[in-house]
Amino acid sequence: KAGVTQTPRYLIKTRGQQVTLSCSPISGHRSVSWYQQTPGQGLQFLFEYFSETQRNKGNFPGRFSGRQFSNSRSEMNVSTLELGDSALYLCASSVDGQGVTEAFFGQGTRLTVV
Amino acid sequence: AQSVTQPDIHITVSEGASLELRCNYSYGATPYLFWYVQSPGQGLQLLLKYFSGDTLVQGIKGFEAEFKRSQSSFNLRKPSVHWSDAAEYFCAVEVTGFQKLVFGTGTRLLVSP
Repeated sequence: KAGVTQTPRYLIKTRGQQVTLSCSPISGHRSVSWYQQTPGQGLQFLFEYFSETQRNKGNFPGRFSGRQFSNSRSEMNVSTLELGDSALYLCASSVDGQGVTEAFFGQGTRLTVV
Repeated sequence: AQSVTQPDIHITVSEGASLELRCNYSYGATPYLFWYVQSPGQGLQLLLKYFSGDTLVQGIKGFEAEFKRSQSSFNLRKPSVHWSDAAEYFCAVEVTGFQKLVFGTGTRLLVSP
């Protein structure tokens, strides 16, 4: 069974631009979460989607947004990029994200903002 | 607020020696605890998890962890480290009802020959 797939793997953008990252969850998984990983702040929760609805959001500015499609695939968007948005963005999927869950992570998208 | 502390930023262990990585958590309810491993430039791989029951849990790659409620700890152990174990290890607690994991800052494991 295929794992969590994130595309693209690497991305270089210029400050002020916007970017869209994609995540395809494991087949049958309906919950998709996004995390940002930086050397300074570590792993931080961005948001979680289930059945096309955002159920929870972390403490990030409104420039960070996401959505989930009917096939459970998810995208996250960052507008007006800042240098500090350079990070590894990780997507995780789980069956339903409820209660006792086991999240499977993708390999991440490395975003560099110049 | 929920938090996870991994007090060791770096640990160096000789190949074949035993390993223990420390993890302390702060969480009001029964915690669901996890250990993940991350190789450079890669995503996170789940090593093991604790939900309930037996406080000693076995994971993949020969790792185990012990949940101690009285000490709010969930330390990861391996009896004999292999060079391929060199990576960064993250302890995490699931925030029940909020569908999210709170991670520690990680411990980088170096394995010397």
